[in-house]
Amino acid sequence: DSGVTQTPKHLITATGQRVTLRCSPRSGDLSVYWYQQSLDQGLQFLIQYYNGEERAKGNILERFSAQQFPDLHSELNLSSLELGDSALYFCASSVSSTGNTGELFFGEGSRLTVL
Amino acid sequence: AQSVTQLDSQVPVFEEAPVELRCNYSSSVSVYLFWYVQYPNQGLQLLLKYLSGSTLVKGINGFEAEFNKSQTSFHLRKPSVHISDTAEYFCAVSARSSYKLIFGSGTRLLVRP
Repeated sequence: DSGVTQTPKHLITATGQRVTLRCSPRSGDLSVYWYQQSLDQGLQFLIQYYNGEERAKGNILERFSAQQFPDLHSELNLSSLELGDSALYFCASSVSSTGNTGELFFGEGSRLTVL
Repeated sequence: AQSVTQLDSQVPVFEEAPVELRCNYSSSVSVYLFWYVQYPNQGLQLLLKYLSGSTLVKGINGFEAEFNKSQTSFHLRKPSVHISDTAEYFCAVSARSSYKLIFGSGTRLLVRP
Protein backbone atom coordinates (compact mmCIF):
# COMPACT_ATOMS: atom_id res chain seq x y z
CA ASP A 1 0.00 0.00 0.00
CA SER A 2 1.63 3.23 -1.21
CA GLY A 3 -0.57 5.47 0.93
CA VAL A 4 -1.97 7.24 -2.14
CA THR A 5 -5.72 6.80 -2.55
CA GLN A 6 -7.54 7.19 -5.82
CA THR A 7 -11.27 7.10 -6.42
CA PRO A 8 -13.12 5.77 -8.25
CA LYS A 9 -11.19 2.65 -9.23
CA HIS A 10 -13.35 2.08 -12.28
CA LEU A 11 -15.55 4.44 -14.23
CA ILE A 12 -17.61 3.84 -17.35
CA THR A 13 -19.19 6.77 -19.11
CA ALA A 14 -20.30 7.97 -22.53
CA THR A 15 -18.70 10.25 -25.04
CA GLY A 16 -19.30 13.93 -24.38
CA GLN A 17 -19.63 13.45 -20.65
CA ARG A 18 -17.54 14.91 -17.83
CA VAL A 19 -15.91 13.02 -14.98
CA THR A 20 -13.86 13.87 -11.93
CA LEU A 21 -11.07 11.69 -10.58
CA ARG A 22 -9.94 12.20 -7.03
CA CYS A 23 -6.58 11.64 -5.36
CA SER A 24 -5.50 11.79 -1.75
CA PRO A 25 -1.70 11.91 -1.44
CA ARG A 26 0.38 10.23 1.23
CA SER A 27 0.31 11.96 4.56
CA GLY A 28 2.91 14.73 4.50
CA ASP A 29 3.42 14.78 0.73
CA LEU A 30 2.94 18.21 -0.80
CA SER A 31 3.31 17.31 -4.48
CA VAL A 32 0.69 15.55 -6.55
CA TYR A 33 1.24 14.30 -10.10
CA TRP A 34 -1.23 13.00 -12.64
CA TYR A 35 -0.27 10.47 -15.30
CA GLN A 36 -2.28 8.85 -18.08
CA GLN A 37 -1.47 5.27 -19.07
CA SER A 38 -2.84 3.92 -22.34
CA LEU A 39 -1.77 1.10 -24.63
CA ASP A 40 -0.79 3.35 -27.51
CA GLN A 41 0.71 6.30 -25.60
CA GLY A 42 2.30 4.56 -22.64
CA LEU A 43 2.68 6.49 -19.40
CA GLN A 44 2.24 10.20 -20.08
CA PHE A 45 2.82 12.97 -17.56
CA LEU A 46 -0.16 15.29 -17.38
CA ILE A 47 0.35 17.82 -14.61
CA GLN A 48 1.95 18.45 -11.22
CA TYR A 49 0.80 20.49 -8.25
CA TYR A 50 2.84 21.50 -5.25
CA ASN A 51 1.11 22.77 -2.15
CA GLY A 52 -1.87 24.01 -4.12
CA GLU A 53 -0.03 25.59 -7.01
CA GLU A 54 0.50 24.25 -10.50
CA ARG A 55 4.20 23.45 -10.87
CA ALA A 56 4.61 21.64 -14.18
CA LYS A 57 2.46 20.79 -17.13
CA GLY A 58 2.89 17.95 -19.56
CA ASN A 59 0.74 16.54 -22.33
CA ILE A 60 -2.55 17.60 -20.81
CA LEU A 61 -5.41 18.37 -23.17
CA GLU A 62 -7.35 21.61 -22.84
CA ARG A 63 -10.45 19.52 -22.09
CA PHE A 64 -8.71 18.33 -18.93
CA SER A 65 -8.06 20.38 -15.84
CA ALA A 66 -6.82 19.72 -12.36
CA GLN A 67 -6.49 21.39 -9.03
CA GLN A 68 -5.05 20.76 -5.59
CA PHE A 69 -7.09 21.80 -2.60
CA PRO A 70 -5.91 23.24 0.77
CA ASP A 71 -6.11 19.78 2.33
CA LEU A 72 -3.72 18.67 -0.47
CA HIS A 73 -6.09 16.27 -2.18
CA SER A 74 -6.31 16.73 -5.92
CA GLU A 75 -8.96 16.31 -8.58
CA LEU A 76 -8.54 15.72 -12.29
CA ASN A 77 -11.50 16.86 -14.35
CA LEU A 78 -12.01 15.36 -17.79
CA SER A 79 -14.69 16.92 -19.99
CA SER A 80 -16.16 16.40 -23.46
CA LEU A 81 -14.89 12.87 -23.23
CA GLU A 82 -13.82 11.01 -26.35
CA LEU A 83 -13.23 7.32 -26.95
CA GLY A 84 -9.49 7.98 -26.96
CA ASP A 85 -9.61 9.23 -23.39
CA SER A 86 -10.16 5.68 -22.19
CA ALA A 87 -7.10 4.94 -20.08
CA LEU A 88 -5.75 4.29 -16.64
CA TYR A 89 -5.18 7.55 -14.78
CA PHE A 90 -2.58 7.47 -12.05
CA CYS A 91 -2.00 9.90 -9.27
CA ALA A 92 1.36 10.01 -7.54
CA SER A 93 2.70 12.04 -4.66
CA SER A 94 6.07 13.05 -3.28
CA VAL A 95 7.41 15.08 -0.44
CA SER A 96 9.45 17.48 -2.50
CA SER A 97 8.45 20.06 -5.07
CA THR A 98 10.66 18.40 -7.63
CA GLY A 99 9.72 14.86 -8.44
CA ASN A 100 13.01 14.08 -10.00
CA THR A 101 15.21 13.20 -7.05
CA GLY A 102 12.89 11.61 -4.59
CA GLU A 103 10.52 8.75 -4.95
CA LEU A 104 7.08 9.09 -6.44
CA PHE A 105 4.41 7.05 -4.68
CA PHE A 106 1.69 5.91 -7.03
CA GLY A 107 -1.92 5.11 -6.36
CA GLU A 108 -3.58 2.09 -7.93
CA GLY A 109 -5.16 4.19 -10.63
CA SER A 110 -8.62 5.02 -11.91
CA ARG A 111 -9.62 3.08 -14.99
CA LEU A 112 -11.78 5.20 -17.26
CA THR A 113 -13.76 3.61 -20.06
CA VAL A 114 -15.52 5.89 -22.51
CA LEU A 115 -18.21 4.19 -24.61
CA ALA B 1 14.09 17.53 -23.82
CA GLN B 2 14.62 14.05 -22.46
CA SER B 3 13.43 10.75 -23.83
CA VAL B 4 13.67 7.12 -22.85
CA THR B 5 13.77 4.05 -25.05
CA GLN B 6 13.10 0.60 -23.72
CA LEU B 7 14.20 -1.66 -26.51
CA ASP B 8 12.22 -4.75 -25.55
CA SER B 9 8.47 -4.71 -25.12
CA GLN B 10 8.48 -8.21 -23.62
CA VAL B 11 11.20 -10.40 -22.16
CA PRO B 12 10.36 -14.05 -21.45
CA VAL B 13 12.76 -15.87 -19.14
CA PHE B 14 12.80 -19.08 -17.13
CA GLU B 15 12.75 -19.01 -13.36
CA GLU B 16 16.22 -18.75 -11.73
CA ALA B 17 17.76 -17.48 -14.97
CA PRO B 18 19.46 -14.07 -15.14
CA VAL B 19 17.73 -11.19 -16.88
CA GLU B 20 18.67 -7.81 -18.29
CA LEU B 21 16.09 -5.19 -19.24
CA ARG B 22 17.53 -2.54 -21.49
CA CYS B 23 17.03 1.20 -21.23
CA ASN B 24 18.61 3.98 -23.23
CA TYR B 25 18.00 7.66 -22.69
CA SER B 26 18.55 10.86 -24.59
CA SER B 27 19.32 14.18 -22.99
CA SER B 28 21.53 17.20 -23.62
CA VAL B 29 21.81 17.87 -19.89
CA SER B 30 22.64 15.82 -16.82
CA VAL B 31 19.89 13.50 -15.72
CA TYR B 32 18.58 11.38 -12.91
CA LEU B 33 17.51 7.84 -13.80
CA PHE B 34 14.96 5.49 -12.29
CA TRP B 35 13.43 2.05 -12.64
CA TYR B 36 9.86 1.48 -11.52
CA VAL B 37 7.91 -1.79 -11.43
CA GLN B 38 4.18 -2.24 -11.96
CA TYR B 39 2.63 -5.49 -10.76
CA PRO B 40 -0.75 -6.49 -12.23
CA ASN B 41 -3.57 -4.20 -11.14
CA GLN B 42 -1.26 -2.05 -9.05
CA GLY B 43 0.42 1.32 -9.27
CA LEU B 44 4.10 1.83 -9.96
CA GLN B 45 6.69 1.22 -7.28
CA LEU B 46 10.26 2.51 -7.23
CA LEU B 47 12.88 -0.22 -7.71
CA LEU B 48 16.00 1.93 -7.71
CA LYS B 49 17.38 5.30 -8.73
CA TYR B 50 20.62 6.87 -9.84
CA LEU B 51 21.23 10.44 -8.77
CA SER B 52 25.02 10.62 -8.56
CA GLY B 53 28.04 8.74 -7.28
CA SER B 54 28.59 5.05 -7.92
CA THR B 55 27.34 4.00 -11.31
CA LEU B 56 26.17 0.64 -9.98
CA VAL B 57 22.92 1.06 -8.12
CA LYS B 58 21.27 -1.62 -6.03
CA GLY B 59 17.55 -1.68 -5.48
CA ILE B 60 14.84 -3.74 -3.89
CA ASN B 61 14.10 -7.38 -4.62
CA GLY B 62 17.68 -8.12 -5.73
CA PHE B 63 17.65 -5.84 -8.77
CA GLU B 64 20.54 -3.62 -9.76
CA ALA B 65 21.25 -1.21 -12.60
CA GLU B 66 24.36 0.35 -14.06
CA PHE B 67 24.55 3.90 -15.33
CA ASN B 68 26.71 4.18 -18.43
CA LYS B 69 27.08 7.80 -19.45
CA SER B 70 29.05 7.13 -22.63
CA GLN B 71 26.42 4.72 -23.90
CA THR B 72 23.53 6.69 -22.36
CA SER B 73 22.19 3.50 -20.89
CA PHE B 74 20.72 2.38 -17.59
CA HIS B 75 20.11 -1.35 -17.93
CA LEU B 76 18.37 -3.28 -15.18
CA ARG B 77 19.67 -6.68 -14.13
CA LYS B 78 18.86 -9.51 -11.78
CA PRO B 79 21.07 -12.61 -11.47
CA SER B 80 18.21 -15.02 -10.73
CA VAL B 81 14.54 -14.22 -11.30
CA HIS B 82 11.49 -15.59 -9.53
CA ILE B 83 7.95 -16.13 -10.75
CA SER B 84 6.95 -13.20 -8.55
CA ASP B 85 9.13 -10.87 -10.63
CA THR B 86 6.59 -11.12 -13.46
CA ALA B 87 5.54 -7.51 -13.95
CA GLU B 88 5.98 -4.47 -16.18
CA TYR B 89 9.18 -2.51 -15.68
CA PHE B 90 9.51 1.15 -16.55
CA CYS B 91 12.69 3.13 -17.00
CA ALA B 92 12.36 6.86 -16.32
CA VAL B 93 14.54 9.92 -16.74
CA SER B 94 14.45 13.44 -15.44
CA ALA B 95 16.66 16.41 -16.15
CA ARG B 96 18.32 17.67 -12.99
CA SER B 97 16.63 21.03 -13.49
CA SER B 98 13.19 19.63 -14.23
CA TYR B 99 10.12 18.72 -12.25
CA LYS B 100 9.02 16.08 -14.74
CA LEU B 101 9.70 12.38 -14.78
CA ILE B 102 9.60 10.94 -18.30
CA PHE B 103 8.80 7.24 -18.56
CA GLY B 104 9.74 4.72 -21.21
CA SER B 105 7.16 2.50 -22.86
CA GLY B 106 7.77 -0.34 -20.45
CA THR B 107 9.09 -3.90 -20.69
CA ARG B 108 6.94 -6.79 -19.65
CA LEU B 109 9.01 -9.41 -17.84
CA LEU B 110 7.41 -12.83 -18.05
CA VAL B 111 9.01 -15.42 -15.79
CA ARG B 112 8.15 -19.02 -16.64
CA PRO B 113 8.56 -22.05 -14.36
